[in-house]
Amino acid sequence: DIVVTQSPDSLAVSLGERATINCSSSQSVLFSSNNKNYLSWYQQKPRQPPKLLIYWASTRESGVPDRFSGSGSGTEFTLAISSLQAEDAAVYYCQQHYRTPPWTFGQGTKVEIK
Amino acid sequence: QVQLVESGGGVVQPGRSLRLSCAASGFPFSSYAMQWVRQAPGKGLEWVAVISEDGSSKYYADSVKGRFTISRDNSKKMMSLQMTSLRPDDTAMYYCAKDQGRYGAGSYFDRWGQGTLVTVSS
Repeated sequence: DIVVTQSPDSLAVSLGERATINCSSSQSVLFSSNNKNYLSWYQQKPRQPPKLLIYWASTRESGVPDRFSGSGSGTEFTLAISSLQAEDAAVYYCQQHYRTPPWTFGQGTKVEIK
Repeated sequence: QVQLVESGGGVVQPGRSLRLSCAASGFPFSSYAMQWVRQAPGKGLEWVAVISEDGSSKYYADSVKGRFTISRDNSKKMMSLQMTSLRPDDTAMYYCAKDQGRYGAGSYFDRWGQGTLVTVSS
C-alpha cells in the first residue's frame, strides 16, 4: 500500500498570511501515460464532512477559491493557501488515488488562525 | 445538486451487526462507483470499501474484510454497508462518498454525505 505522510501536523497562521502544507507518498503517484499525479486534497471543517479542494495535484474543484493551490509531482506535493481567511480554519487531508484499492489518506494537518 | 444521505447508525454491542444506507440523488447514480469512508472520533480518514457502478466489483480495507459487505441498488439509487462482528474499534462516523468516475479510473471522491455515527460499546 502507498503510505501518505503530511507535515506539519498543525500550524497557526495569521489572517492574510500564507499557509503551506506538505504531503509525501511512499511511491510515485505520477502516471506516465497521461502525466497526471493521482493526488487530491480535502478540507474538513469541524462537524462537517470532507470537501474536495484539489485533484490531479493541482486542479481546483469548481467553486474553490483561487487562494488555494496545489503543486508537486511524483512523491512530493504542497497545498498552499495564499492569503488565509478565517473560514479556512480546518483540517486538510491529502489522498493518493494512484494505486488503489486501498485509497490512502495522510494523517491530516490542522490549520488554525494565529 | 448532488445529495448523499446516510442512515442506520447507532449504538450497538460488540459482536452484533448493523446496516448502513446511503440514499443518492442529483446525479446518474448507476454511472458512478461509490465509496464508504470512516473517521474514528478525533482521528483521520480511513477508506472502508468501494463498489463499482454496476455492483460487479467490490473491494474492502483489510480492517473490515470478511466482516463488512457493500452493495447497491441502482433502481433505488441506494448503497448499503452491512457490518457484522462489530468491534469497539469500528466506532466511527461513516461517510458515503461519490466517486468522480467509473471504478478503476484512478478516482477521487468528489461529493460526501454528512455521515452516520456508529458506536460499538457494551
